[in-house]
Amino acid sequence: ETGVTQSPTHLIKTRGQQVTLRCSSQSGHNTVSWYQQALGQGPQFIFQYYREEENGRGNFPPRFSGLQFPNYSSELNVNALELDDSALYLCASSWVGNTEAFFGQGTRLTVV
Amino acid sequence: RKEVEQDPGPFNVPEGATVAFNCTYSNSASQSFFWYRQDCRKEPKLLMSVYSSGNEDGRFTAQLNRASQYISLLIRDSKLSDSATYLCVVNIRSGNQFYFGTGTSLTVIP
Repeated sequence: ETGVTQSPTHLIKTRGQQVTLRCSSQSGHNTVSWYQQALGQGPQFIFQYYREEENGRGNFPPRFSGLQFPNYSSELNVNALELDDSALYLCASSWVGNTEAFFGQGTRLTVV
Repeated sequence: RKEVEQDPGPFNVPEGATVAFNCTYSNSASQSFFWYRQDCRKEPKLLMSVYSSGNEDGRFTAQLNRASQYISLLIRDSKLSDSATYLCVVNIRSGNQFYFGTGTSLTVIP
């Protein structure tokens, strides 16, 4: 077990809806990143949060947004869901300056 | 162009075989390199970091060639439990801002 927990584990949403995914970092980790993994693909970097601010972003549109809280937990919000947003969403936590990251078990989002 | 390009696979090998995976990365400023393992419908887990000097962990050997921007993983004496998808990972900046290859599927056959 990595100590990184995500909720919910599975979710079904309708196209156009909004969704919030949650991640609790491993104790002592102050950096969290979010990744999207489509079926048959490697995870794609969405963004990273450090000290409650976005600290790097991949090639994802603004309807993907996030938050990091003082306890280092994090949320990923996706607005105006599209069918292609169906994927496994992974969060990973690490300590800044230490590149080893630990992944949560993921949230499997299905958009219908 | 993708940040990380990986062998497409899949690889189906008998128990005891030696298998090698390769990948290339495009950003010469990349800072750190890893191989992750991902089992079906599970999260990726760190297999090993990759250093220019090469590093070995039991049956696994990883190598980095910065000049060629090339990373490799060698698995010797394959076990059934090695069956998984192996992801080549590059970190562009500090913290975890990883760029993953598409993964290479390995199935070890009895």
